[in-house]
Amino acid sequence: DSGVTQTPKHLITATGQRVTLRCSPRSGDLSVYWYQQSLDQGLQFLIQYYNGEERAKGNILERFSAQQFPDLHSELNLSSLELGDSALYFCASSVGLAGASSSYNEQFFGPGTRLTVL
Amino acid sequence: AQSVTQLGSHVSVSEGALVLLRCNYSSSVPPYLFWYVQYPNQGLQLLLKYTTGATLVKGINGFEAEFKKSETSFHLTKPSAHMSDAAEYFCAVSYNAGGTSYGKLTFGQGTILTVHP
Repeated sequence: DSGVTQTPKHLITATGQRVTLRCSPRSGDLSVYWYQQSLDQGLQFLIQYYNGEERAKGNILERFSAQQFPDLHSELNLSSLELGDSALYFCASSVGLAGASSSYNEQFFGPGTRLTVL
Repeated sequence: AQSVTQLGSHVSVSEGALVLLRCNYSSSVPPYLFWYVQYPNQGLQLLLKYTTGATLVKGINGFEAEFKKSETSFHLTKPSAHMSDAAEYFCAVSYNAGGTSYGKLTFGQGTILTVHP
């Protein structure tokens, strides 16, 4: 158990719908990262938040958005869903920003949310 | 930009045999390198990491990897495979460029390890 929790575990929805994925980081971790794992794209970084602020963006679609709340949990919102959005969505957390200390780079992954768009 | 290439999407070994999973990276700045393991229907678990210092790093479950800068490689090895090692393995790279990356991981495509009795 990494200490990172994600809900729900599974989500089945229809095209055009909107869903929200939730992530609670490990106690004390300020950074939250979102990744998407799909068969055709592999594991891709989507977005990172640090202490409530967006700090880095990857290949995240405009239909997707995220935020990190004052209690440090994060939500990933996916809208106007398409079949191709079906994937496993992982959240990871780390202590802080990348820095001289190696521990800052260690990310702990949650179990993921499997999204199926029908 | 960074990239990771894992040679071989599938590797099959016999129980007790050497495990060698290959990873090559591309990075314009000194990298931080990681190997993660993913068991079916589970999240990613860190096996080992290289940041600075000793180039041979030891991880959990008897795995180790060696950072070879001249070859831009970070291959994962285990002397003797066990049935429980069957999983998918991901090599990943990140770096601290003083502000732009903030530790995001760039992953390889993954290697599925099968262990035969």
